[in-house]
Formats: sequence, C-alpha cells, structure tokens
Amino acid sequence: AQKVTQAQTEISVVEKEDVTLDCVYETRDTTYYLFWYKQPPSGELVFLIRRNSFDEQNEISGRYSWNFQKSTSSFNFTITASQVVDSAVYFCALSGLEIFMKTSYDKVIFGPGTSLSVIP
Amino acid sequence: DAGITQSPRHKVTETGTPVTLRCHQTENHRYMYWYRQDPGHGLRLIHYSYGVKDTDKGEVSDGYSVSRSKTEDFLLTLESATSSQTSVYFCAISQPTEVMNTEAFFGQGTRLTVV
Repeated sequence: AQKVTQAQTEISVVEKEDVTLDCVYETRDTTYYLFWYKQPPSGELVFLIRRNSFDEQNEISGRYSWNFQKSTSSFNFTITASQVVDSAVYFCALSGLEIFMKTSYDKVIFGPGTSLSVIP
Repeated sequence: DAGITQSPRHKVTETGTPVTLRCHQTENHRYMYWYRQDPGHGLRLIHYSYGVKDTDKGEVSDGYSVSRSKTEDFLLTLESATSSQTSVYFCAISQPTEVMNTEAFFGQGTRLTVV
C-alpha cells in the first residue's frame, strides 16, 4: 500500500527565516513519482515539482529546494528566506503504477498537508 | 494553466437529494480524478478514470459514483447526499508519458454543502 506522511500539521515562522517541510512516503513500487503542491488561501492547487524515483539529485528553484533521499524514503522541501506570500498549505504526493487486468495506470496519493504561516 | 473546469463552483443541497458535479477538460488527458478535501485529511481520492468508460474506486468511494462517456468529461454523482459529504471537491487530470504520468493538474474546486 502507498502512504504519504507529513508529520508537521502547522508551522509558523518569521519572515526571512528558512523552513523545511518534511515528507515521508511508503511504496512497494520501484518506479514512482513524488510531487509537491501549494494551496494558497485562495484555494487553488499549484504544482511545484515532480521528481521520479530514479533521480535523487537535489533541485533548487529560486528560494525553493527539494531533498530526495530514497534511503530514508523522504522528499523534503525547504523554503529559504521565507516571505509572507509563502503562507499556504503544502501537500506532498506520491504517484505509483498500479496494474489492473492488462492495463497499467497511476494513482496519486496525497499527504495530509502542512499549513505554513509566515509572519511579517 | 491547464484547461480544467469544474461546475458548479458552489452548491448547497439538502440531505437525501442526488447531486452531480462536472469536470470538463480541454487537454485531452487520459487520466481524470475526483478528490475531496477535508480539514485534517488533506486530499483523498474518491474515484478515478483511466480512459473512456474505465473507472475505478479510490479510498473514499462509498456513496459516490462516476461516469466518463467521453474523454473530456468526468462526472461525480452523490446518489443521496449526506452531511458527511460536505466538502471541497477537486477534479484533476494527468497524462501518461513513456514511463509514468505527468503531474496532476487541478480544477478550481467545488464547495459542496449538504444541509
């Protein structure tokens, strides 16, 4: 069975602090994808990153960085020099391959989310 | 932005009535999903579709049914709405690549209140 755990329910930081959001996953698949999504107070879900299970290289995009470690089944997300606009709920998700009859398809499973508040 | 439209965006309905939510996509993506979002639970998969007329249950499918008669539309029906189905419903789409799916793109969400 697949599972995504985000142990931090709520995090509050002061603006300009760095913050790391944890994500731990469980899967039996050898091939899978991991995702991070952002949900700002307006409610829409914004895609941030996708990482496949064969690529453990860390990725940096501006103030955002992601640390993927297969050995610990973790895919953590760090925001450097946080800003008020970073305040949102962040979801980690896992996509694995399911085999049904002769068709393969993916199911995306989400973690419960971490609510980040950046205080000015 | 991916072309996904959910309708209605807001709905209030009475307990026991049937309700249908519509998800329409213009991306010709193969996979479509319905999730519900509730405080403390994140997003939970209700049903998904891997092709026209091909659907399967997610983790919280009881009380819901779906239909996909054409690629662009995925309908979610609450056969007899209950207060526990008050939630925000998201539709998502994704497309298989050579190896796996692309990232899932989400609709704007539908806020459903059952009174």
